[in-house]
Amino acid sequence: QLQLQESGPGLVKPSETLSLTCTVSGGSIRNNTFYWGWIRQPPGKGLEWIGNIFYSGSGYYNPSLKSRVTLSVDTSKNQFSLRLNSVTAADTAVYYCARQFWAGWWFDPWGQGTLVIVSS
Amino acid sequence: QSALTQPASVSGSPGQSITISCTGTSSDVGGYNYVSWYQQHPGKAPKLMIYDVSHRPSGISNRFSGSKSGNTASLTISGLQPEDEADYYCSSYTGLSTLVFGTGTMVTVL
Repeated sequence: QLQLQESGPGLVKPSETLSLTCTVSGGSIRNNTFYWGWIRQPPGKGLEWIGNIFYSGSGYYNPSLKSRVTLSVDTSKNQFSLRLNSVTAADTAVYYCARQFWAGWWFDPWGQGTLVIVSS
Repeated sequence: QSALTQPASVSGSPGQSITISCTGTSSDVGGYNYVSWYQQHPGKAPKLMIYDVSHRPSGISNRFSGSKSGNTASLTISGLQPEDEADYYCSSYTGLSTLVFGTGTMVTVL
């Protein structure tokens, strides 16, 4: 059974870079059928798609975040990562990683999520 | 890209049926059969309930069904049960290789 787990600092200072890693277990990240995606949810608010990446390294980004987001993949560790630079309080959110089907762009399964607070 | 529009809340009594709408444009919901629905209980990660407009993943109750007409997709929950009380989100592929979520709907079982 495929499982995903986010990891990274829970507190980031304003203007710095948020870095998270998603570790995939129970299956290989090298899969031609799926992207690997990031989604976030500010406290009490809705879901926002951040972007996704294929195991080859190609990916797509939310246009509103594209200038600040970098996605990468490490197939040797079965992990993929998110970097979001120049963060502000508005980037405070629960960040989820998830497997994303390449054709329908649906997410399943999801990681449990990790709360990242941007504060000095 | 703007979020898809969902009603803020929908309620129903146990055993009843409810429908949640998800309205977009011809560039997203209306243009592709790539609408998905997610259920999210408080403090938990979202769970896929419907994909590709009307398909249920393995293990999802057939009380959940999806459909689409024009630029509006819908999720219907029949035989409403207490455990269905949760937030529900739709999402749609938008073309240009991007994705947008709906604003979310809180379902209350009276």
